[in-house]
Amino acid sequence: GAGVSQSPSNKVTEKGKDVELRCDPISGHTALYWYRQSLGQGLEFLIYFQGNSAPDKSGLPSDRFSAERTGGSVSTLTIQRTQQEDSAVYLCASSLFLESEELFFGSGTQLSVL
Amino acid sequence: AQSVTQLGSHVSVSEGALVLLRCNYSSSVPPYLFWYVQYPNQGLQLLLKYTSAATLVKGINGFEAEFKKSETSFHLTKPSAHMSDAAEYFCAVRSPGYALNFGKGTSLLVTP
Repeated sequence: GAGVSQSPSNKVTEKGKDVELRCDPISGHTALYWYRQSLGQGLEFLIYFQGNSAPDKSGLPSDRFSAERTGGSVSTLTIQRTQQEDSAVYLCASSLFLESEELFFGSGTQLSVL
Repeated sequence: AQSVTQLGSHVSVSEGALVLLRCNYSSSVPPYLFWYVQYPNQGLQLLLKYTSAATLVKGINGFEAEFKKSETSFHLTKPSAHMSDAAEYFCAVRSPGYALNFGKGTSLLVTP
């Protein structure tokens, strides 16, 4: 597609359930990033991928969060045993290279944990 | 780690008035600095960037920003606000780990 695509756009889940969020980057972009946007907290960096590798996972809030990227393309962010504080908009971005100056963002997944 | 601070979570201006959104950065090395805009229900879009070339950077939609090393600032300005400028604006700095570190954002309201 022409831009970064995220699915689902909205997800409502019950506390304790697992969720998977998907990101399709722009074709040919080697770098992919996940951010979390909470009300009043701005954008919090979670993790980035260079190809299929994630050199820095220190931004993940807890061990309930994990992410993978396959084929240098699609990425999945998984949250296990969701908690109410996980409610936020999860944004994905991609760039042509890791050193590229501009990131292209998707519209995000709004996650609500009841 | 590098970081940015945006002064003012909400800014309100009248249509036609000057827009000034403040951003200060903290960095131990020369930074790359960015302003992104997020319109309602849309993803973030790059407004402009500073990458150690000209200190006055011009972006889209009439916005510009000036890098001032002595003040560690990168404030965003536009001479005359339009109603369509109402959005959330984020200042960001590139960290050594190549991930952008964003400020908490400033919501711009433009009144008739």
